[in-house]
Amino acid sequence: EVQLVESGGDLVKPGGSLRLSCAASGFTLSDAWMSWVRQAPGKGLEWVGRIKSKSAGGTTHYAAPVKGRYTISRDDSKNTLYLQMNSLKIEDTAVYYCAREGGSYGGAFDIWGQGTVITVSS
Amino acid sequence: DIVMTQSPDSLAVSLGERATINCKSSQSVLYSSNSKNYLAWYQQKAGQPPKLLIYWASTRESGVPDRFSGSGSGTDFTLTISSLQAEDVAVYYCQQYYKTPPWTFGQGTKVEIK
Repeated sequence: EVQLVESGGDLVKPGGSLRLSCAASGFTLSDAWMSWVRQAPGKGLEWVGRIKSKSAGGTTHYAAPVKGRYTISRDDSKNTLYLQMNSLKIEDTAVYYCAREGGSYGGAFDIWGQGTVITVSS
Repeated sequence: DIVMTQSPDSLAVSLGERATINCKSSQSVLYSSNSKNYLAWYQQKAGQPPKLLIYWASTRESGVPDRFSGSGSGTDFTLTISSLQAEDVAVYYCQQYYKTPPWTFGQGTKVEIK
């Protein structure tokens, strides 16, 4: 079964750091371009950032609100994607999803994880 | 950045009736070199992650019922549910993935039963 499972969500104080993980199964993560998408409570979807496959250069892109604070990385040997979040702000509170950009779908996300909850509060 | 605007924000439709959701992009998402519109539609039910319904503006994802259809080109797009079923109650989002990030989503349209 093709699956993504996020972990690492927690309650963290403003200014703190957290690392999320996204474990992939049922497909070869090394071939995939992967994104993180978040959803604040009661709000819509917000793209956070993306990492290309290593064969495509492993390039990362970030949304403006997180650029310089968040870092996406991957360990294809562990079939795992990461999101390192530093200098967290209250407005970073959200459910964080990892999602696969399906190769034949362009940048459309064909597989999503169930999400992990980050709460930033003092 | 490309801004995606959906309308309406919510709609209530009777079972078996048609539901129509519109999505407008602030610039064209039609790539002339391959004539593809870089536009996707997602369904998100309460407490669940989004689910891909439509990509390339009009291509239905495998397993998606054929009552869901996408249309449009350039800057104006539509998601149509031809005969609303109870299980279609959800929030629907459009998303553009034109050329390079940032990818952007519409604000969402909530579909309910009248």
